[in-house]
Amino acid sequence: EADIYQTPRYLVIGTGKKITLECSQTMGHDKMYWYQQDPGMELHLIHYSYGVNSTEKGDLSSESTVSRIRTEHFPLTLESARPSHTSQYLCASSRTGSAGELFFGEGSRLTVL
Amino acid sequence: QQQVKQSPQSLIVQKGGIPIINCAYENTAFDYFPWYQQFPGKGPALLIAIRPDVSEKKEGRFTISFNKSAKQFSLHIMDSQPGDSATYFCAASKGGATNKLIFGTGTLLAVQP
Repeated sequence: EADIYQTPRYLVIGTGKKITLECSQTMGHDKMYWYQQDPGMELHLIHYSYGVNSTEKGDLSSESTVSRIRTEHFPLTLESARPSHTSQYLCASSRTGSAGELFFGEGSRLTVL
Repeated sequence: QQQVKQSPQSLIVQKGGIPIINCAYENTAFDYFPWYQQFPGKGPALLIAIRPDVSEKKEGRFTISFNKSAKQFSLHIMDSQPGDSATYFCAASKGGATNKLIFGTGTLLAVQP
């Protein structure tokens, strides 16, 4: 079992609210990622980090921001949520040199009304 | 730009059948090709992976076939079971310290009893 945890699992909020999705891993992995998963299944990389104080935007443009102050923690923040942000957000991690084996959390399903 | 094309989008087979999911890639620099399995309400999990120096890899009932010249790879599930019903993603990466996985669009598999 992978030790990567996401909270909350489900969140329903109103438009304009600020939200933070938490992601923590206990495996000591350097690399962490945020994916957005559409209802139609496709996974889109929105943010990634190769280590502390390193963050990059992914292939899909997102209004969210991330931070990486500690190795184990990679939170995602939306300053002002909109209905278009409704989606499933998946956090993942991998160790340097793993060739691409990602360990995923169970996801945070966000609904913005 | 979709660099990994996956088909079919959905697939229904009877128990004991052999579902086949296909993926094609464009970037010849890719050197790692994993398949991920995702059950409802869970994050994707690594199922099996292959490198381009071999043409086939088997792990239990799951087999990857790889055709480097055609830039295609496929997942075969032998003696499929209802418990195999899930979404399957192929992926590819270039390796190296900054490797990122590029995911296919996913295939929803239903194995009927």
